[in-house]
Amino acid sequence: GQQVMQIPQYQHVQEGEDFTTYCNSSTTLSNIQWYKQRPGGHPVFLIQLVKSGEVKKQKRLTFQFGEAKKNSSLHITATQTTDVGTYFCAHYAGGTSYGKLTFGQGTILTVHP
Amino acid sequence: DTAVSQTPKYLVTQMGNDKSIKCEQNLGHDTMYWYKQDSKKFLKIMFSYNNKELIINETVPNRFSPKSPDKAHLNLHINSLELGDSAVYFCASSQTPGIIYFGEGSWLTVV
Repeated sequence: GQQVMQIPQYQHVQEGEDFTTYCNSSTTLSNIQWYKQRPGGHPVFLIQLVKSGEVKKQKRLTFQFGEAKKNSSLHITATQTTDVGTYFCAHYAGGTSYGKLTFGQGTILTVHP
Repeated sequence: DTAVSQTPKYLVTQMGNDKSIKCEQNLGHDTMYWYKQDSKKFLKIMFSYNNKELIINETVPNRFSPKSPDKAHLNLHINSLELGDSAVYFCASSQTPGIIYFGEGSWLTVV
């Protein structure tokens, strides 16, 4: 299956600083999903990107899908302590609901107050 | 109401034992999954079911046997537990491709 690589693995920021995590693939992706997992919690769906060059925003979070559909990014502006957690990108293979969602390794974000 | 619920939340057991994790979803979804998350946070799909039918079996040892009595339930039975089985097991359900709702996880520790 198609692999997605995430960088960085860890990111420590001071509250108020910006944060970006990147998701890369060697092949063209039909879609990218982003999930957030709080410490001790479960992954929660954030966004789905399917169009080349797509940009979506959710408050302080900005999601991008690259023009070549081989990379994606999640940018958080002015981080808050509530942003701590692990952010995963994931690629879905298959056109039905029972296809395979493959996750990247995740970026663990720590925010220092 | 919890959308995807799984029990137990914590499980500590000895090597060689057999254990089960139960999962139920009240979202009316057709598809359910089991994912395993290791100590490095890596999330890996184990199984997927669609309307009680096994769709994905991702090279999981035969000691792991999922069972779906109906489309709202997907249980996971593990035989002869090994130390390496220690992980968090997430049940999940989906109706839209790529959008998955996870349960709260079952923390399994094998000693």
